[in-house]
Formats: sequence, structure tokens, C-alpha cells
Amino acid sequence: EDQVTQSPEALRLQEGESSSLNCSYTVSGLRGLFWYRQDPGKGPEFLFTLYSAGEEKEKERLKATLTKKESFLHITAPKPEDSATYLCAPLGGQGNLIFGKGTKLSVKP
Amino acid sequence: ETGVTQTPRHLVMGMTNKKSLKCEQHLGHNAMYWYKQSAKKPLELMFVYSLEERVENNSVPSRFSPECPNSSHLFLHLHTLQPEDSALYLCASSQTGGSNYGYTFGSGTRLTVV
Repeated sequence: EDQVTQSPEALRLQEGESSSLNCSYTVSGLRGLFWYRQDPGKGPEFLFTLYSAGEEKEKERLKATLTKKESFLHITAPKPEDSATYLCAPLGGQGNLIFGKGTKLSVKP
Repeated sequence: ETGVTQTPRHLVMGMTNKKSLKCEQHLGHNAMYWYKQSAKKPLELMFVYSLEERVENNSVPSRFSPECPNSSHLFLHLHTLQPEDSALYLCASSQTGGSNYGYTFGSGTRLTVV
């Protein structure tokens, strides 16, 4: 059975305090892994797609990496506007995204 | 308009009511999805339409009935719902068969069943 586990469930950081979010997955026929950001009361917003182990993508203060079993979302010197829930979603062999529960990030000034 | 648009943004309905959620995508995508998002749970895939044909129904109760009249529009018809059906309902679209399978989501409909 396909499974996705994100940790931690919640993360509180001070502005400028770098950290990483983890996404562990067991998915048959992995075709890619997606990261989304979701603000309260809104739909998920696309951040990155990673297709193969060793691949890295960057966008502003965020960098996503992928191994055969995990993906990390590294946040460097976060700002309060980075506060959101970050969702990891592998794309399985059947062609559908499988979402984790997300990590709720709070960045305090 | 661009992206994926969902209406209404908020809906309160009684258990005996019938209502419909609407989704429209302006991206030229060929697949559309309904997801349910409840507190403390991951997004749950409800229905998938690819090329206007339903390809998946993840054991969703029959009180939820999807309709996809064309590749740009998707509806979710609701009747005799239960309080546990209260959640954020998200619509998404994607282009299958391409090199980027990313989904674009709408802002969702916050449904409250009373």
C-alpha cells in the first residue's frame, strides 16, 4: 500500500532560523514527487516537482531534494510570510497524487 | 479568468438539502479531480475525470455525485449529507501524458452540514 509520512506535524521557527521538513514515502512506480504550499482556507499552491533521486530544485528560500525513500524541503533564513502548511505528494504508478498530512510551519518575527 | 475557479467559496446546508459545487478550469487541461480535505487528515481523492470520463471513484458514498459535462467544467452534486461530510472540497486539474504532471488547485469550497 502506498504511504506518505511527513514530519514534523508542526514546526515553529524564529525568523532567520533555518530548518528542514521531511517526507518519507513508499509508493509503487514513483513517477515524481511534488511539494505544495497551502495557506489557511485556500487550495494548495504548486512549489516543486522532483523526478529522480539526487535531483534538487530551489525557489527563493526553499530547496527541495529527493532520495529513493525521502524528500526534504529545506528552508533557509525563513520569514514570517513563509508560514503555511507544506504538503508532500508523490505521484504513483496509477497516475494520482498521494498526499501526506503536511507540516504546519510557523515563523515568528 | 485564469487557473481553477471554484464556487461557492462557502456553503452551509441542512442534511435534507440538495446543492452543487462548481469548478471551472481555464488551463486547457484534460483531467479534473475532486478532493476532500478534513482537519488532521491528508487530502482524500474522491473522483477523477480524464478526457471527460470518470476513471476513479474511491469508495465515495453515493450522496456525492460528480458530473463532468466537458473538459473545463466539473460539478459535485450533494444530497442528504451527514455532519461528518463537513470539510474543504478542492477541485484540481492537470494535463495527463505530458512531462509535468502537476495539479493546479482551486481555492476550495468550505462546506458545513448542519
